[in-house]
Amino acid sequence: EAGVTQSPTHLIKTRGQQATLRCSPISGHTSVYWYQQALGLGLQFLLWYDEGEERNRGNFPPRFSGRQFPNYSSELNVNALELEDSALYLCASSPTGEGYTFGSGTRLTVV
Amino acid sequence: QKEVEQNSGPLSVPEGAIASLNCTYSDRGSQSFFWYRQYSGKSPELIMFIYSNGDKEDGRFTAQLNKASQYVSLLIRDSQPSDSATYLCAVNIRYDQFYFGTGTSLTVIP
Repeated sequence: EAGVTQSPTHLIKTRGQQATLRCSPISGHTSVYWYQQALGLGLQFLLWYDEGEERNRGNFPPRFSGRQFPNYSSELNVNALELEDSALYLCASSPTGEGYTFGSGTRLTVV
Repeated sequence: QKEVEQNSGPLSVPEGAIASLNCTYSDRGSQSFFWYRQYSGKSPELIMFIYSNGDKEDGRFTAQLNKASQYVSLLIRDSQPSDSATYLCAVNIRYDQFYFGTGTSLTVIP
């Protein structure tokens, strides 16, 4: 069974640009969760998608957005990149209540 | 007050010793509790989860939960150098949403 897959592994962008990160959940899982892990900080909840709908959103500005496709894969978009957006972005899927399985993450660097 | 708090460490233990990692949480309505291990530069991987008060054992790992004290811990017996990592505590506060602590860095010294 394939795990959670994320792409790209690394992404370098200039301040003000847009970044697009992609995630495919474990086969059969309909939910995708996005987290940001900045250096020295814990995992911060960004977004939760289920069945194509945004179900919940963390305390992040609107320039963090995303969507979920009919095949349950997901895209996270970060507009107007700022230096402090540099972080490891993690995607996870989960059967209800059993904890997350994380993808390998996308390391976003904003210069 | 943060939803989940952990001592950031670093915690150092000699090989073969017991490592004890602690976590407290603020929401008494929390239902389930998770421990993740994260190696440097890698993503977190689930080690254990616990729902009920008491102890839960899985190999060298034991999770302990005390809901009255809002406290969850992870014991690692016979610690190995390969256990050196950051350990994240996570609490399921709302449906399908978890709050994570900032992690405790563990170093096992050969």
